[in-house]
Amino acid sequence: QSALTQPASVSGSPGQSITISCTGTSRDVGSYGLISWYQHHPGKGPKLIVYEVSKRPSGVSDRFSGSKSGTTASLTISGLQAEDEADYYCYSYAGSKNYVFGTGTWVSVL
Amino acid sequence: QVQLQESGPGLVKPSQTLSLTCTVSGGSLSIGGYNWRWIRQHPGEGLEWIGSIYYSGTTAYNPSLKSLVTITEDRSKNQFYLNLTSVTAADTAIYFCARGGFHSPHALDTWGQGTMVIVPS
Repeated sequence: QSALTQPASVSGSPGQSITISCTGTSRDVGSYGLISWYQHHPGKGPKLIVYEVSKRPSGVSDRFSGSKSGTTASLTISGLQAEDEADYYCYSYAGSKNYVFGTGTWVSVL
Repeated sequence: QVQLQESGPGLVKPSQTLSLTCTVSGGSLSIGGYNWRWIRQHPGEGLEWIGSIYYSGTTAYNPSLKSLVTITEDRSKNQFYLNLTSVTAADTAIYFCARGGFHSPHALDTWGQGTMVIVPS
């Protein structure tokens, strides 16, 4: 199974909105609404910010929102803040108890 | 609050077996509904799912690693383990353990800080 495709980097100014795409195939993203997103600051463990495409864990800011269309999932960060600067990864169920991560996107706050 | 902590040797010789432990505190491997996973990150690269172990004891592994990986658990110690055989320099990575199942069986709600393993070339 191949990694899901994400843009290598996305940047925005404080207060702006950005969207990160996560493109898979009909065998993973396209078949299951089981996409989750993680924020990863280097040196720490990743943090779950969205699960099952668009649900947010308690305590995660509503500035983070997720969606999916066909074989592409998306994460939108609205009202960009300095602390949002991090790597972001999508993660999808791929059937038969297999999973696949996205290639990762570095979000830069200008 | 559940916490996970990876431990193991930071240096493994080529062709040897990499063995890592994930210790669960503030929670229990004996509680149903959760699954436990290993993930790694090669230097400068993205995350890679290695495998999972479920409450039933069933395991699942990344097809690209399947013949080399074994995940086991010891509920009496509240630990689960990763064994990766015949390592090469390509197995140099930060290794994370994680838990799934609190929000969804398919989402990883708790992660360890990660442990760096180097396999010299």
